Amino acid sequence: SQTIHQWPATLVQPVGSPLSLECTVEGTSNPNLYWYRQAAGRGLQLLFYSVGIGQISSEVPQNLSASRPQDRQFILSSKKLLLSDSGFYLCAWTEGDGYTFGSGTRLTVV
Amino acid sequence: GESVGLHLPTLSVQEGDNSIINCAYSNSASDYFIWYKQESGKGPQFIIDIRSNMDKRQGQRVTVLLNKTVKHLSLQIAATQPGDSAVYFCAEIFFYGQNFVFGPGTRLSVLP
Repeated sequence: SQTIHQWPATLVQPVGSPLSLECTVEGTSNPNLYWYRQAAGRGLQLLFYSVGIGQISSEVPQNLSASRPQDRQFILSSKKLLLSDSGFYLCAWTEGDGYTFGSGTRLTVV
Repeated sequence: GESVGLHLPTLSVQEGDNSIINCAYSNSASDYFIWYKQESGKGPQFIIDIRSNMDKRQGQRVTVLLNKTVKHLSLQIAATQPGDSAVYFCAEIFFYGQNFVFGPGTRLSVLP
C-alpha cells in the first residue's frame, strides 16, 4: 500500500536559520509530489511541485526552495528563515486524481 | 495544526443532527471536485469526490452535491458524530488534474 512520510512533525527555528523538511513516499513509483503551505485561517497554497527526479516547478516566489534527489523523496529547504515562513507545511503526492497528504509539519519561526 | 482555521467560518451542530458544509468554486472549467477533512495537527484526508458530469454522489454517511449553474458544492454529513469535528475544505481540479485550488475551509464543531 502507498504511504507518505513527512518529518519532523513540529519545528521551532530562529529567524535566519536554515530549514530542511523531508517527505518520502512508499509503495509507488514516479509520483507527482507537492509541497503546500497552510497559513492560519487560510487554505492551502501550492509552493512547489515535481513530476520527476530533478524536476521542480515553483508556484510562488519566496524564501524557500525544493529538491527531489530521488524518485520518492521531496525536500523543502530554506537558507535563511523569515518570520513569515511560519505555517503548517504539507507534502502530498498523486498518481492521478486526488491527493494523499502527509501528516504535516508545524513550523514556527521565532 | 492547532492554529489552522483560527479565522475560519464555523458550523456548530448537535451530535446526531445532519451537517451541511458549503463551498463556492471559481472556475467553471473545473472538472473534478474533492472534499477533504483535516483534524487538528494532521494533514487533510480525502472524504469524497465528484466529477463535473454528476450532480450528486453518496458515500458512507456523506453526500456531495454539485450545482454547476451557481458553481456551488456542498458536503452533507448524516448523523454527525464527535469524531466529525474538523476543518473541511473543498478542492476544485482542472486541466487534467494538474491544477488544484483549495477553498479556505469551514470548521465543524459537534456539540454533545
